[in-house]
Amino acid sequence: DGGITQSPKYLFRKEGQNVTLSCEQNLNHDAMYWYRQDPGQGLRLIYYSQIVNDFQKGDIAEGYSVSREKKESFPLTVTSAQKNPTAFYLCASSRTATSSGNTIYFGEGSWLTVV
Amino acid sequence: GESVGLHLPTLSVQEGDNSIINCAYSNSASDYFIWYKQESGKGPQFIIDIRSNMDKRQGQRVTVLLNKTVKHLSLQIAATQPGDSAVYFCAENIWGDSSYKLIFGSGTRLLVRP
Repeated sequence: DGGITQSPKYLFRKEGQNVTLSCEQNLNHDAMYWYRQDPGQGLRLIYYSQIVNDFQKGDIAEGYSVSREKKESFPLTVTSAQKNPTAFYLCASSRTATSSGNTIYFGEGSWLTVV
Repeated sequence: GESVGLHLPTLSVQEGDNSIINCAYSNSASDYFIWYKQESGKGPQFIIDIRSNMDKRQGQRVTVLLNKTVKHLSLQIAATQPGDSAVYFCAENIWGDSSYKLIFGSGTRLLVRP
């Protein structure tokens, strides 16, 4: 099936630990995105990538890092510098980010909890 | 500043009635808007979109209306069903830093009463 796959669905992080969330898409999309969603809130952009080997900070990039070594993969690392990482993380992709009218499609999300 | 917001955080409707969810946006340069539906614990699901050169677009049981004069967007759901219960987000596609990005509102929760 075509789509965006995020893993794991649930993840627990200890204080001071880095964790990486996986995102894979087989839609042949150039652009990929990571959003954070807190309970009862909207989505805030963490990082985005227009093309392989390129990425830019979104509105809340502090404490996060990404890589884009392959077109289909855009992993997100939540570092120990992120002071309040407990949230629902959503990966998304679109055909391109450089022309308007391109729908962004989302994965099913990953829940991260600090223990 | 650039923002997308919603007037009603929670909307309760009777099954079979029509639902109207509203959204205000502030960036007059935005040229593309999307409505998403998000069920509990899941990712947002695309419902319908509209470009700024249109004022109305219809899908299956859903209609999106765009009023650029007052920068207002609405989603109308006909004959609301229990499966329509979810949080609905409008999103505005804006240009910045050499790319388009979606800016989301805080969402409206739709509750369908049986």
